[in-house]
Amino acid sequence: KAGVTQTPRYLIKTRGQQVTLSCSPISGHRSVSWYQQTPGQGLQFLFEYFSETQRNKGNFPGRFSGRQFSNSRSEMNVSTLELGDSALYLCASSLDPGWFTGELFFGEGSRLTVL
Amino acid sequence: KNEVEQSPQNLTAQEGEFITINCSYSVGISALHWLQQHPGGGIVSLFMLSSGKKKHGRLIATINIQEKHSSLHITASHPRDSAVYICAARNRDDKIIFGKGTRLHILP
Repeated sequence: KAGVTQTPRYLIKTRGQQVTLSCSPISGHRSVSWYQQTPGQGLQFLFEYFSETQRNKGNFPGRFSGRQFSNSRSEMNVSTLELGDSALYLCASSLDPGWFTGELFFGEGSRLTVL
Repeated sequence: KNEVEQSPQNLTAQEGEFITINCSYSVGISALHWLQQHPGGGIVSLFMLSSGKKKHGRLIATINIQEKHSSLHITASHPRDSAVYICAARNRDDKIIFGKGTRLHILP
């Protein structure tokens, strides 16, 4: 079955712009979570969605937002981009939001460069 | 202080050696994943643990909830095991917290 698909894979933006990233989970998975990875901070949790509802959110400013659609696809948006937002953005999908089923599948990521 | 601490940060070993990577956490958790990330970014979940021990091929993962500690072991290590290994825990607030990762390099 198809894996987790993230688009776009690479993008370059300038400071002040906004960006939208997309994540299509594995078919049947209703939970999608988002992460930011940078060389300095490592992996950090952004937010988690289940059945179109945001279940929880990490410690990021309000410029970071997301949503999940009825087909479980998810998008995240970063407004007023800053240089420090340059990172690899990863999403992961699972059957349930609590990890109880044990399976967690990651996409290849969207690499954002802010100039 | 990070809520999840991994050790060692870097590890270089010869092919065939037994490898142990440790993950200690200071908060209550409900579950923990061991993740593997190869150069280029792709992340694979190796194990999810909420108690006890799991084994898959040459990989073994254990967790002791009371001692707040988990270990990942690799037996008969191989150069293809070279990667960054990251532990990820779901804390009692249902937030996901990560260790900084262990960079493993297996020499042929």
